[in-house]
Amino acid sequence: LAKTTQPISMDSYEGQEVNITCSHNNIATNDYITWYQQFPSQGPRFIIQGYKTKVTNEVASLFIPADRKSSTLSLPRVSLSDTAVYYCLVGAPWTHYKLSFGAGTTVTVRA
Amino acid sequence: EAGVAQSPRYKIIEKRQSVAFWCNPISGHATLYWYQQILGQGPKLLIQFQNNGVVDDSQLPKDRFSAERLKGVDSTLKIQPAKLEDSAVYLCASSPQGEKGAMGHEQFFGPGTRLTVL
Repeated sequence: LAKTTQPISMDSYEGQEVNITCSHNNIATNDYITWYQQFPSQGPRFIIQGYKTKVTNEVASLFIPADRKSSTLSLPRVSLSDTAVYYCLVGAPWTHYKLSFGAGTTVTVRA
Repeated sequence: EAGVAQSPRYKIIEKRQSVAFWCNPISGHATLYWYQQILGQGPKLLIQFQNNGVVDDSQLPKDRFSAERLKGVDSTLKIQPAKLEDSAVYLCASSPQGEKGAMGHEQFFGPGTRLTVL
């Protein structure tokens, strides 16, 4: 499994953009990059997934450079409700998407 | 669309006792996962089913943990006997894809069962 490294914690203020970078140096050709969000006392929730370049949905954007050894999750104009743990994972359909969650990044948004 | 259902939500037992957790995935989802999440850590995959077959159980402590998914629908995870270090939240997730070559993937998680072993 490709190992991922992300910051343990990040602080931000309401209305700011939050960018979380994840390193995955040994990502395999067939691996996708997926981000999940987890609130206390809840299961993780899918945010976004990409393979290369840029992916955007109504919640976030995912930037992936050409070498795919890292990726950046961008949360635009965060609010207090975005305070959560964010996990970066890599996995491929060839392994039935066996995913390995790390410790994640705790994002705290302050007023 | 109904989400992943899990029961019970909370369970308190003493060490050496047995406990079972139940999961009903989203209808039609072929793949089912059980995770263990210890406080302050990310979820750790215990076992992954594709329909009613086991795809991966490499991190399942098979001397005390067992899981089954009869008829490829709902699933049960059992711990017998429980140890203090089994205290955690047990998460069930399901996903619609499972075949090789499937593009994209999303796991849908249930609310989890919080287990406390005293």
